[in-house]
Amino acid sequence: KNEVEQSPQNLTAQEGEFITINCSYSVGISALHWLQQHPGGGIVSLFMLSSGKKKHGRLIATINIQEKHSSLHITASHPRDSAVYICAVRSIEGSNYKLTFGKGTLLTVNP
Amino acid sequence: NAGVTQTPKFQVLKTGQSMTLQCAQDMNHNSMYWYRQDPGMGLRLIYYSASEGTTDKGEVPNGYNVSRLNKREFSLRLESAAPSQTSVYFCASSAAAGTKDTQYFGPGTRLTVL
Repeated sequence: KNEVEQSPQNLTAQEGEFITINCSYSVGISALHWLQQHPGGGIVSLFMLSSGKKKHGRLIATINIQEKHSSLHITASHPRDSAVYICAVRSIEGSNYKLTFGKGTLLTVNP
Repeated sequence: NAGVTQTPKFQVLKTGQSMTLQCAQDMNHNSMYWYRQDPGMGLRLIYYSASEGTTDKGEVPNGYNVSRLNKREFSLRLESAAPSQTSVYFCASSAAAGTKDTQYFGPGTRLTVL
């Protein structure tokens, strides 16, 4: 079983819809990252969380440490949000330098 | 600022050939990383450099070597390429030591080993 599981694997939405991508993990963590990978391949860090909630523009990330779960929400989705969204965690027991990555969620937003 | 740059963008090798992937960052970051990304799998850490002058193995180091040439540059070498090393390779850097800091990624190198 992977330490980091994302759901759904694929998600298709219509422009304007509210989108939720989920990330569950099985180990104790000190930080969780959300990243975005565009169709061209480039990877951008969106958020780093250790508790609570963060917001940037139309993106909101939440984390529940007790339930070992995080969600990434996109409000008023747009075709330019189409990308792979990746969750990654830093285990409290592992190396300070190692992130464990999920396999990603492919989001397609249709106009 | 260019951020994190990688060369080359694409490379095709024959089994047994060697090559070096170059990575440089202009953000004065302390830590640098090499990852590989394979279809159906998450990114996996090959090697990292916590600070200038240090390097350590990650999750999948076999078949690779690295050099932290200076604070800006971190190269990844394949001494004898194998088809299993066909992958997309990403270099990343972060200001602070460890993974509690934002990582900035390069554009990637798509490597095919025949």
